[in-house]
Amino acid sequence: EVQVVESGGDLVQPGGSLRLSCTASGFTFSSYYMHWVRQAPGKGLVWVSRISSDGTIPRYADFVKGRFTISRDNAKNTVYLQMNSLRPEDTALYYCARDLDDVFDLWGQGTMVTVSS
Amino acid sequence: QAVLTQPASLSASPGASASLTCTLRSDINVGTYRIYWYQQKPGSPPQYLLRYRSDSDKHQGSGVPSRFSGSKDASANAGILLISGLQSEDETDYYCMIWHNSAWVFGGGTKLTVL
Repeated sequence: EVQVVESGGDLVQPGGSLRLSCTASGFTFSSYYMHWVRQAPGKGLVWVSRISSDGTIPRYADFVKGRFTISRDNAKNTVYLQMNSLRPEDTALYYCARDLDDVFDLWGQGTMVTVSS
Repeated sequence: QAVLTQPASLSASPGASASLTCTLRSDINVGTYRIYWYQQKPGSPPQYLLRYRSDSDKHQGSGVPSRFSGSKDASANAGILLISGLQSEDETDYYCMIWHNSAWVFGGGTKLTVL
């Protein structure tokens, strides 16, 4: 089955760190750019980060630059989002999405991150 | 001012048509952008609907009915998602998206009510 599955979400205190994972199956993972998109409870979609198929070109939304790092391991079919210096406003459902010619064509169900003391 | 502005809500009747707008900030010309549209149902991840830049540069998502289409209103500097023959299942949230300044940007979303 073609899918991506996110994991790693948790409750973390402000200032803490968390690493999210997104594991792909059913397709040639190393051929695709991958994204992280988040959605705060009851709010809209917000693009967070993207990584090129070979992992050499990351892109970030301005509000996470210097705090979040995207990476991937093509041998493990997994993309990661390392999140540091977390803030309450980072509380959201984090989706992983596959990029097919700039179309986010495959999404996971998301993993919830809650930043609270 | 936000890069992309969508009305928070829109209502239309079953069988009618609905035009969902995505207005670009005034310093950004809609003519040069591909506008992507996503549909999100409650409790589910978004699903890609279509992409539109012009009639010669457009793409329909796999399995997306032809009653979903894209266009632009240059005078309003806006992209438009047109849904014709509205059905109850179309009642949900819709988001537009563009690639701007080396980042993907979503609009705030429109909640479409079919009543």
